[in-house]
Amino acid sequence: GESVGLHLPTLSVQEGDNSIINCAYSNSASDYFIWYKQESGKGPQFIIDIRSNMDKRQGQRVTVLLNKTVKHLSLQIAATQPGDSAVYFCAENAGGTSYGKLTFGQGTILTVHP
Amino acid sequence: DSGVTQTPKHLITATGQRVTLRCSPRSGDLSVYWYQQSLDQGLQFLIQYYNGEERAKGNILERFSAQQFPDLHSELNLSSLELGDSALYFCASSVDGGANYGYTFGSGTRLTVV
Repeated sequence: GESVGLHLPTLSVQEGDNSIINCAYSNSASDYFIWYKQESGKGPQFIIDIRSNMDKRQGQRVTVLLNKTVKHLSLQIAATQPGDSAVYFCAENAGGTSYGKLTFGQGTILTVHP
Repeated sequence: DSGVTQTPKHLITATGQRVTLRCSPRSGDLSVYWYQQSLDQGLQFLIQYYNGEERAKGNILERFSAQQFPDLHSELNLSSLELGDSALYFCASSVDGGANYGYTFGSGTRLTVV
């Protein structure tokens, strides 16, 4: 029978291209955001984070942009490699009484073709 | 190896049964988190413990319970199992009670209820 599940957005790119993965978050009180990468059979792996007092943060080959006005987050990966193929999740934390709770987005499947 | 150890890696059990999932956090981390990842719900926060005490709670079913022991390892108990409980269960740990710097996930326990 047909399986029911989340239909994740997909992004397919060629090796060497730049990739942009988008995420809309829900809680206007969220003040800390993280991008995770999850490869098949593994747990989510931290990529980069950003606090709400910033609108851009750069890491090695990755940049996160935050637009609080429209509650939008993006992850840019430069010179994408086949090893970047994975599911990418954004996560938000509202601090305060949420303590360490992270609310995850649905995820985006990135496929990098050699 | 992330430093967060989860056992067992795979578990197959029948409906109505009870299982216990175990997590050892990274050395020095005081918080432990449990998440459920299913096809139709994505990554869902279940519960957080900090230094032995419950700190934050998500939409965890009453059939599920957890605890953190004095040596900081944690166990997630799932009882009266239903087919819909089949999922990946992830444990994560962090040094403090917040989500600062993200946290580190284990490789998960895949639970199959038949």
